[in-house]
Amino acid sequence: GQNIDQPTEMTATEGAIVQINCTYQTSGFNGLFWYQQHAGEAPTFLSYNVLDGLEEKGRFSSFLSRSKGYSYLLLKELQMKDSASYLCAVLDSNYQLIWGAGTKLIIKP
Amino acid sequence: ETGVTQTPRHLVMGMTNKKSLKCEQHLGHNAMYWYKQSAKKPLELMFVYNFKEQTENNSVPSRFSPECPNSSHLFLHLHTLQPEDSALYLCASSQDGTGTGELFFGEGSRLTVL
Repeated sequence: GQNIDQPTEMTATEGAIVQINCTYQTSGFNGLFWYQQHAGEAPTFLSYNVLDGLEEKGRFSSFLSRSKGYSYLLLKELQMKDSASYLCAVLDSNYQLIWGAGTKLIIKP
Repeated sequence: ETGVTQTPRHLVMGMTNKKSLKCEQHLGHNAMYWYKQSAKKPLELMFVYNFKEQTENNSVPSRFSPECPNSSHLFLHLHTLQPEDSALYLCASSQDGTGTGELFFGEGSRLTVL
C-alpha cells in the first residue's frame, strides 16, 4: 500500500528553527507538495519538489531525497503565526495525490 | 482569500435530511475537487471534475452526490448521511486535472450529522 508518514505534533520556540520530516512509500513519484493549514482555514500551498535538493523560499525551505523517500520542511526564525498544521502529499505514478495526516506545529513564546 | 468560496461554513443535519454544499471558484481553473478531512487523518479525495466532466469517484457512498454545472461551480448533495460522515468538507480547484499543479482550497464546510 501507499503510505506517507509525518509526526503528529511538534513544539518549537519563537525565533528558533524547526524541521518537519515526511517519509513516503508510494507507487512511483511525480513530485512532493507541502501545504500549510491554519486552524479553521483553507490549506495553502507552500512548495513543490520534484528533483532532489533544497529549495528555499524566504523563511521556509523544502528538501527532497527521492532515493530515500524523504522530504523535510525547514522553518527558520519562527513566528507565532507559523503555528499551523503542515501537510505533506506525494504525487504517485498515476498522478494521484497521496496525503499524510499532517503535523501540528505549536510555537511557544 | 484563496479565490475558492464554500457555503455554508457550518452545517448540522439529521440523518434523514437532504442538504447541499456549494463551492465557487473565481480563478478560471478547469478542475475542481471535493475532499473529506477528518481529525488526525489524511485528506480523502472524493470526487474530481475536469472541464465539468467527472474524472474520479473514489468509491464514495451514493449518499454523497456531486454536481458540476460549469467549471466555476461545484455542489455536493447530501442525503441520509451517517454520524461518521461528520467532517470538514473541502473544495479545491487547480488549473487542470493533471495533478502537477497547485491546489487552491476553500475554507471548508464543517458538517455535523446527528
